[in-house]
Amino acid sequence: SQQGEEDPQALSIQEGENATMNCSYKTSINNLQWYRQNSGRGLVHLILIRSNEREKHSGRLRVTLDTSKKSSSLLITASRAADTASYFCATDAGQTGANNLFFGTGTRLTVIP
Amino acid sequence: DAGITQSPRHKVTETGTPVTLRCHQTENHRYMYWYRQDPGHGLRLIHYSYGVKDTDKGEVSDGYSVSRSKTEDFLLTLESATSSQTSVYFCAIRGDRPNQPQHFGDGTRLSIL
Repeated sequence: SQQGEEDPQALSIQEGENATMNCSYKTSINNLQWYRQNSGRGLVHLILIRSNEREKHSGRLRVTLDTSKKSSSLLITASRAADTASYFCATDAGQTGANNLFFGTGTRLTVIP
Repeated sequence: DAGITQSPRHKVTETGTPVTLRCHQTENHRYMYWYRQDPGHGLRLIHYSYGVKDTDKGEVSDGYSVSRSKTEDFLLTLESATSSQTSVYFCAIRGDRPNQPQHFGDGTRLSIL
């Protein structure tokens, strides 16, 4: 399976702290994407990092990509209670014209007010 | 939010009955996807479409069929539902350009008794 794996499976932190989630994958990729899912809702795209990029920022989010180790990390700085959600990485291996994504099993983040 | 509507949002049915889930988009995107989400598995691709009448199988396509007769609609059919198909089903869309994220609907919770 090309499915990525997130680590840790669950993370609980205090509001204001930083949260780091890791993703490992198995094949070469075109890009890697991070998504967020609130309970009972669909996934929302957070950030996309291409295979030739090493780091990308968006607001309080910072994503790194190490293609030699086939791994990525998502850092959320100064966390808020509203950041409580599940976070998924997804890889686009470019194997089909539709650029299908392979999702990891997610990290459940709880931010305690 | 991307214009994606899934219907129904919830459905309970019995084993052996046919079930059709609908995904409707207003973005005129070429690519549409059906996923299922189960605990411990993340999201897994069932089928995808790369244009009207153009569809292909994903990772977990057995027991499912799809149709796309119009750009805006992508239907997922369970010909004879089984309890193992109890899941949350998500539709996603993506535009034509490379390195684009997918945009998700809010899901259909399907229970097969």
